[in-house]
Amino acid sequence: NAGVMQNPRHLVRRRGQEARLRCSPMKGHSHVYWYRQLPEEGLKFMVYLQKENIIDESGMPKERFSAEFPKEGPSILRIQQVVRGDSAAYFCASSPNKDSQYFGPGTRLTVT
Amino acid sequence: DQQVKQNSPSLSVQEGRISILNCDYTNSMFDYFLWYKKYPAEGPTFLISISSIKDKNEDGRFTVFLNKSAKHLSLHIVPSQPGDSAVYFCAASAPTSGTYKYIFGTGTRLKVLA
Repeated sequence: NAGVMQNPRHLVRRRGQEARLRCSPMKGHSHVYWYRQLPEEGLKFMVYLQKENIIDESGMPKERFSAEFPKEGPSILRIQQVVRGDSAAYFCASSPNKDSQYFGPGTRLTVT
Repeated sequence: DQQVKQNSPSLSVQEGRISILNCDYTNSMFDYFLWYKKYPAEGPTFLISISSIKDKNEDGRFTVFLNKSAKHLSLHIVPSQPGDSAVYFCAASAPTSGTYKYIFGTGTRLKVLA
């Protein structure tokens, strides 16, 4: 049973470009969470999704950020018109129920 | 507003001794607590959890203690091994309130000296 997969592992974007981060949950997991870690900080919750539904997006910036978890395929975190402050590690976690979150290896986004 | 605090950014311990990592929280709605371990360039790995109905949970070398009245939890690792060197994050959630997101502390970097 493969773990949570995230790709790409590293992503470099220029200011103003779009970033798309993908997360494939563990098999059988229908709950996906996205977290962001800025340098020297802890992980900060962004959004919680179930298949085709956003359940809690209280940690997501209101502009430029969006997330989806379609019926088929990975969950996508999309950042439009990236700025330098978006540079961070983005972690996805999945769970089969409402706790026991298993984390992926993260995507390190660098905005130049 | 930091609801989960880890006030020690780093800790060094001799191999074989006990490592004690501390965590404080402010939100009395939290009723589920976890510790994660993180190596560089990897995602956090679940270590151990505790529900608020307990005050202690043990798994091998790892024990978590919860003091609800003080809003404090600690992770004890004994005996400490060099492979335990990593960043440890404390996290809290309030599943019975319908919120399943984790609130993380800022982490404590543990270094176990051989």
